[in-house]
Amino acid sequence: EAGVTQFPSHSVIEKGQTVTLRCDPISGHDNLYWYRRVMGKEIKFLLHFVKESKQDESGMPNNRFLAERTGGTYSTLKVQPAELEDSGVYFCASSQERGGSSYNEQFFGPGTRLTVL
Amino acid sequence: SQQGEEDPQALSIQEGENATMNCSYKTSINNLQWYRQNSGRGLVHLILIRSNEREKHSGRLRVTLDTSKKSSSLLITASRAADTASYFCATAPSGAQKLVFGQGTRLTINP
Repeated sequence: EAGVTQFPSHSVIEKGQTVTLRCDPISGHDNLYWYRRVMGKEIKFLLHFVKESKQDESGMPNNRFLAERTGGTYSTLKVQPAELEDSGVYFCASSQERGGSSYNEQFFGPGTRLTVL
Repeated sequence: SQQGEEDPQALSIQEGENATMNCSYKTSINNLQWYRQNSGRGLVHLILIRSNEREKHSGRLRVTLDTSKKSSSLLITASRAADTASYFCATAPSGAQKLVFGQGTRLTINP
């Protein structure tokens, strides 16, 4: 079974440009998460989808970031316009929906390394 | 300071030795997980310990959890060069689905 995949693996753009990252979760996983790690800092939560709905977007840094998950399958994260401080590694993760359970194993993708020049 | 803080930040040991990494957190949790990240690659889930568990083993890994002290430790026994990576603990706060990560411990195994 395929794991979580992300595209592209690496993106280099100039300040002010737009970049769209894509994440394909494990088939059948209703939960999809975006995280990022800015250089030298911890991995931080950005947002959480349950199917196509945004369950928690408390970690989104500002309105330059837009995440979508149309149809409840893959998700995109768009940064527009990109700033220097957006550079880092963006991880996507997915998990199954386990109603009423505290278990929450998230499976991570390889990440997209974004470099903004 | 951040939820899920690891120490040490960096650890360098000889192959064959044991490596111990610690993690502290601040809020009530459902579970605590450890992940590994090899350079340039994604996060690999290592082990999950629930809040009602005190110790868990998986191969050469041993994880302990002390909820009274809000701390966890990861022990890797008989280390190998392939264990060289960054290790992160992540907590799942009660009532939340998101994971809260620490800054990680960079482990280097010297041949």
